Amino acid sequence: AQSVTQLDSHVSVSEGTPVLLRCNYSSSYSPSLFWYVQHPNKGLQLLLKYTSAATLVKGINGFEAEFKKSETSFHLTKPSAHMSDAAEYFCVVLISTGRRALTFGSGTRLQVQP
Amino acid sequence: DGGITQSPKYLFRKEGQNVTLSCEQNLNHDAMYWYRQDPGQGLRLIYYSQIVNDFQKGDIAEGYSVSREKKESFPLTVTSAQKNPTAFYLCASSIDPQREGSSYNEQFFGPGTRLTVL
Repeated sequence: AQSVTQLDSHVSVSEGTPVLLRCNYSSSYSPSLFWYVQHPNKGLQLLLKYTSAATLVKGINGFEAEFKKSETSFHLTKPSAHMSDAAEYFCVVLISTGRRALTFGSGTRLQVQP
Repeated sequence: DGGITQSPKYLFRKEGQNVTLSCEQNLNHDAMYWYRQDPGQGLRLIYYSQIVNDFQKGDIAEGYSVSREKKESFPLTVTSAQKNPTAFYLCASSIDPQREGSSYNEQFFGPGTRLTVL
């Protein structure tokens, strides 16, 4: 079985402070992992993806994620939050066999306080 | 500009009516997908199609139907059999999900259609 768990449904930070959004996955195979962002009433935009070339993945808008196989984690970070970062973030894992569909976490809503 | 378009952005339907949501892509992607999103939840897969004239049920296909007559188009029909159709519907596409590597499996999303049943 393959699943993904986002450990926090809501995260609130002050503008200019670091952001940490946590994600753990379970997979019987070497996973493909993604982070997507969704602004209100919009579609999803890819932030970054794990390609197995490097464990530290850099994405758009200053976001990064580190793949830690020993911890089965793929946490999303950003050194300094901006007001425009307020959105819903989804950690996503690819099912590697069969239909090869994406499995989405339940999402983390990030609030950024001025 | 390449991308995925969904229309309409907002849709209202009376209970008991069928309604069709449009999804078009000009990315030349082989695979297309339909997801449903409810408040506070992740996305759930309704149907997907990996090639033209072929599609498969996802996790919540009951009350929905699709067709894939053209590579660019993957319309979703919400039938009267769907008990709770009010939701945000997202369409996506990917290059070739059968190949290894996140570049082939990365999904590109449309802006979504919000369906409300009155």
